[in-house]
Amino acid sequence: DQQVKQNSPSLSVQEGRISILNCDYTNSMFDYFLWYKKYPAEGPTFLISISSIKDKNEDGRFTVFLNKSAKHLSLHIVPSQPGDSAVYFCAARGTNSGGSNYKLTFGKGTLLTVNP
Amino acid sequence: KAGVTQTPRYLIKTRGQQVTLSCSPISGHRSVSWYQQTPGQGLQFLFEYFSETQRNKGNFPGRFSGRQFSNSRSEMNVSTLELGDSALYLCASSEGGQPSGNTIYFGEGSWLTVV
Repeated sequence: DQQVKQNSPSLSVQEGRISILNCDYTNSMFDYFLWYKKYPAEGPTFLISISSIKDKNEDGRFTVFLNKSAKHLSLHIVPSQPGDSAVYFCAARGTNSGGSNYKLTFGKGTLLTVNP
Repeated sequence: KAGVTQTPRYLIKTRGQQVTLSCSPISGHRSVSWYQQTPGQGLQFLFEYFSETQRNKGNFPGRFSGRQFSNSRSEMNVSTLELGDSALYLCASSEGGQPSGNTIYFGEGSWLTVV
């Protein structure tokens, strides 16, 4: 059972436009969410995170929105640049004490291509 | 501050052999976790260690094991390698303690090919 879902395997946008990557989760115990960017043959690079007590977090060109009632989050990249082309992973964890929360559950990723 | 360091970066093993991968976390980080990435399954959690204790384990067979040393460095071992173990193995570290909102940082990974 996939607890974190990224339903779009790929997304293509023009340079300078907005990229919106979506993520849905099913586990109501998840209350901390992270986005990672990954190039082939490299480890994931942390981009931005959000706690469930917030509905928005912004860092430069990256903004993450969380809709807890819909169990949905999205990553907005504005403006998109060719260097943003990579696979983006959404990840989630709980933050209460407990063994199951000492790990991240990942979506399958979305390949973003930003065309010049 | 140095990032998460994994060695070796690339290795090729034969079926039936065993392999040990090493990970040095970010200085001051006490939690180390391991993930396997394959094209079909994405990023799958293997196990997590804190203060030399395994706190959580994913759904992998007993051939996959790990340990953490007193300096927080960690190793994972895969015995009796199978072709399906070919993957990118990622180590990640965080400050540890309670889950809270600690960010988890990843290393570059170790590419294992089993032939």
